[in-house]
Amino acid sequence: RKEVEQDPGPFNVPEGATVAFNCTYSNSASQSFFWYRQDCRKEPKLLMSVYSSGNEDGRFTAQLNRASQYISLLIRDSKLSDSATYLCVVNMNNQGGKLIFGQGTELSVKP
Amino acid sequence: GAVVSQHPSWVICKSGTSVKIECRSLDFQATTMFWYRQFPKQSLMLMATSNEGSKATYEQGVEKDKFLINHASLTLSTLTVTSAHPEDSSFYICSARGGERGVEGTQYFGPGTRLTVL
Repeated sequence: RKEVEQDPGPFNVPEGATVAFNCTYSNSASQSFFWYRQDCRKEPKLLMSVYSSGNEDGRFTAQLNRASQYISLLIRDSKLSDSATYLCVVNMNNQGGKLIFGQGTELSVKP
Repeated sequence: GAVVSQHPSWVICKSGTSVKIECRSLDFQATTMFWYRQFPKQSLMLMATSNEGSKATYEQGVEKDKFLINHASLTLSTLTVTSAHPEDSSFYICSARGGERGVEGTQYFGPGTRLTVL
């Protein structure tokens, strides 16, 4: 079983749609959680950290459920510029701060 | 925010040659640098972790004699792919983390190096 698993993609949605990404992780010792965005042939860029209390940044909302080892990202009112691959990332603080990346879910927002 | 550069951004080489990739933290001191590899349509896979002045720690399945890592200063780490073969063609990305050798610090990613081995 992969340490971090995400929805297989790609997701193709129209502008303005709401999109939800799901992610599960296998190691209960994981301590920090993130969503990264990666554009084609570019490095990943931090989108937002994920906290147990849930957190929101504009159109983006992230949720963490430690009991079920589940992380989500919701994008509201999607824009063309949101098209990218979204990576669920877990920080293994007890392993020297290693980042474990999910395989990513590709999002394509169409006009 | 902190800036990490990589050089070269892309390289094409013949099979059997060695390729060196540099990773630099431009405006902060990076006590720890990480090297990742990403194949097409796959996620980033951590290859090794390097702390300044000490030997790198390699992930399981990564050959340390093939992928030589040097972290001689707080702003520079290098990855040398020795005797490269076509299966080593990939996107190599470094990240750098500053401050104390704690684990909470943010990792800042370089722009990546695309290696193609003919």
